[in-house]
Order: sequence, then C-alpha cells, then structure tokens
Amino acid sequence: DAKTTQPPSMDCAEGRAANLPCNHSTISGNEYVYWYRQIHSQGPQYIIHGLKNNETNEMASLIITEDRKSSTLILPHATLRDTAVYYCIVRLPYSGTYKYIFGTGTRLKVLA
Amino acid sequence: GAGVSQSPSNKVTEKGKDVELRCDPISGHTALYWYRQRLGQGLEFLIYFQGNSAPDKSGLPSDRFSAERTGESVSTLTIQRTQQEDSAVYLCASSLAGFSGNTIYFGEGSWLTVV
Repeated sequence: DAKTTQPPSMDCAEGRAANLPCNHSTISGNEYVYWYRQIHSQGPQYIIHGLKNNETNEMASLIITEDRKSSTLILPHATLRDTAVYYCIVRLPYSGTYKYIFGTGTRLKVLA
Repeated sequence: GAGVSQSPSNKVTEKGKDVELRCDPISGHTALYWYRQRLGQGLEFLIYFQGNSAPDKSGLPSDRFSAERTGESVSTLTIQRTQQEDSAVYLCASSLAGFSGNTIYFGEGSWLTVV
C-alpha cells in the first residue's frame, strides 16, 4: 500500500546529474515527500524532504511539481558511491500512526 | 553518539531460541519505529511507538513478536521461538513527535540469522 511509484532501476554516468522521478498522485495537502537511500542493507539514509517548494541541501535537490503529484530527486554530480536504492516516501495521513510505508524504490547504478 | 544505536549488530541463534534486539533512539526523539528487511526485499513496518505507547502494532507478523519501550527511550524487540524465516535485518528509527514534517532517522540495524 505504498503511495508512491518509482522506476525499478536507472543508470547514470559518473559525474553526470542523476534525476530520479517519483509519482505520488494521491498526496494530500499536508503530506511531506521524503527521499531516502539505502546502500546494501545498511540503515536507510535520509536525503531530503519537502512539502511544496523546491528544496536543496548538500546532498541533493528536490523538485516538486506545482500540483504536488510528482517529484524529482536530483543528484547534481553522481559518483560511484551514490549507487544505491532510492526510496521516495509519502507519509500516510494520521490515523493513529505516523509510519512510513516503503515501496520498492529505484535501484540507481552509477557507471564509471 | 548522535545517531540511533542498535545492538547487537549481528546475532546468530538456533531455531526455537528467543532473541532480544535493542534500540537506543536519538535523545529527545519521542517517536520510535521498528522495521524488518529480509535479504533482497523491501522494508516492512513492524511497530510504531509514541512515547512508551504503541498506537500501531499492525506490522508485527505473529504473536511471537513483541516490543516494548521504557522511559520514552530504549526499546526492545523480542522474538520468541525463532524460526528460519525470521532471519533478516531489523532496523530501528526515531523522530521527534510523529508529525509528518519530522524526519525519521535509522540505525544501522541488527542482523539476525536463525540456523
């Protein structure tokens, strides 16, 4: 019952920008979009999150469409260490729980 | 440390034994989560704590699984009579109160192997 849809895999050349798309067409007005990544089976690493506006931090940029039905995570200069599974997550509306439901994510492979 | 701490990092146990996995959340984080990830699979939600209460236990797979939290801090996930299908990495995460805008941070997990 994940609320997001992502392509299962993508390749990116080292040094190029990696653009990872995510559809979240059922998102409601007060739900944030979060991005995490997981390398092997280490704990997922927080990357960035946003509500309406585009966001940027030292790791990535997050572009959210005006209707908020989709977003794109941008890694501006991908390195081999960015090879990982990337998860786009929308938290479920509060109904006694604030859990995240993880989908299958996008497996990004950065190629030398 | 500043992050979520889990112990043990690795545990090998015999089928039928009980195991306890511990999670120390980030100081001040009132929300705590447990997830399970089998090899090559996605993350499965197990349980969510707000303070010492667990308003959502919907992901616990069977009555062999239980969790508790004390002092709004440490949490223990207990698996009784372990089975081979329990082999997985068990991930703990924490956040400030469970509001959607509060980021959750994960520990590195406890790898459990049931032989």
